[in-house]
Amino acid sequence: QSALTQPPSVSGSPGQSVTISCTGTSSDVGSYNRVSWYQQPPGTAPKLMIYEVSNRPSGVPDRFSGSKSGNTASLTISGLQAEDEADYYCSLYTSSSTSWVFGGGTKLTVL
Amino acid sequence: QITLKESGPTLVKPTQTLTLTCTFSGFSLSTSGVGVGWIRQPPGKALEWLALIYWDDDKRYSPSLKSRLTITKDTSKNQVVLTMTNMDPVDTATYYCAHIDYGDAPGAFDIWGQGTMVTVSS
Repeated sequence: QSALTQPPSVSGSPGQSVTISCTGTSSDVGSYNRVSWYQQPPGTAPKLMIYEVSNRPSGVPDRFSGSKSGNTASLTISGLQAEDEADYYCSLYTSSSTSWVFGGGTKLTVL
Repeated sequence: QITLKESGPTLVKPTQTLTLTCTFSGFSLSTSGVGVGWIRQPPGKALEWLALIYWDDDKRYSPSLKSRLTITKDTSKNQVVLTMTNMDPVDTATYYCAHIDYGDAPGAFDIWGQGTMVTVSS
């Protein structure tokens, strides 16, 4: 199971929206819905933001949303805030391999 | 409130075996659907899943590291232990343990420990 592909960096101004993509293949992202997204500010542990493609854990602002189309999952952050600046990682669990794979991570800069 | 904390050596020599302990509270690893996993992150690099143990003692390992990893649990002590053999400098990373509960967030690690940095050097 290969790592998922994310853009190395994205940026946006406060109040804008940004979308981070997570691309796999028809055998992984295209076939399974256990896609999750994690936020990791510098020097801290990852925090779960989205699970099962589009579900938010309690406490996560509704500015964060997830979706999937074909072999690509996406995380959209609307109404960007300075505190959203962090690294973001997607992850996929596949029952066929009973294992997890992470994306390479995307650094979000709030301009 | 669920918390997890990793502990272990900060420095190991090449070829040695690394033993890390995850001590947790706020949940029981005998509850159906619950598991504890290990994920690592080399400095400046991406997250990498290593292993996971479920409430029923089912164990899963990263295919690329399976031969070097062993994960066990001690339910009475609320601990999960990960051992990694034949350590190499490329294994230098922050090692995290994390909670998973299929009843809450299937397939996702919803609570993470603070991580422990391990350096492999002679």
